[in-house]
Amino acid sequence: AQSVAQPEDQVNVAEGNPLTVKCTYSVSGNPYLFWYVQYPNRGLQFLLKYITGDNLVKGSYGFEAEFNKSQTSFHLKKPSALVSDSALYFCAVRDEYPGRRALTFGSGTRLQVQP
Amino acid sequence: DAGITQSPRYKITETGRQVTLMCHQTWSHSYMFWYRQDLGHGLRLIYYSAAADITDKGEVPDGYVVSRSKTENFPLTLESATRSQTSVYFCASSEGSNQPQHFGDGTRLSIL
Repeated sequence: AQSVAQPEDQVNVAEGNPLTVKCTYSVSGNPYLFWYVQYPNRGLQFLLKYITGDNLVKGSYGFEAEFNKSQTSFHLKKPSALVSDSALYFCAVRDEYPGRRALTFGSGTRLQVQP
Repeated sequence: DAGITQSPRYKITETGRQVTLMCHQTWSHSYMFWYRQDLGHGLRLIYYSAAADITDKGEVPDGYVVSRSKTENFPLTLESATRSQTSVYFCASSEGSNQPQHFGDGTRLSIL
């Protein structure tokens, strides 16, 4: 079975400070990992993905994520937060095994960036 | 414009009624998905489809029916709506199972 956990319901950070949104996963084989962002009354928007290769993945809007196989984590990071980054963030995982073609999403982390 | 469109955006109905949520995408993506979003649960997969005429159950399929007669459309039907199906429903599509999913803006469904 595949699962993903986002241990923090909310993360608060001051504008200009670095931010981290945590994600851990569980799969049988190798993971395919994704981060999405959701703004109010909108659908989810893709930020970045890890399939294979470099453990540090760069994505949209200055976000990046670090894949750590030993800790089964895929934390989302940004060096300098903006107020406009305030939104709901979702981590998602899919097992590499054939037949598991759908993503499992975490419960989401609300990011609040204070001016 | 290219994209993924859900209709209606808002719907109020009564228990026991049948309701159909529509989803249309213009990219000719193979994969399409239906999720429901509820507070504390994130997104839960209801059904997905890998191609026209191929559908599979997700995590919470009970009470829902889907069809995919054309690649671009993936309607979701609640055959006899219940209050527990009050939720925000999102449709998504992707080129492949490893590719990013593109989401519609959702349908907010209230069942009284």
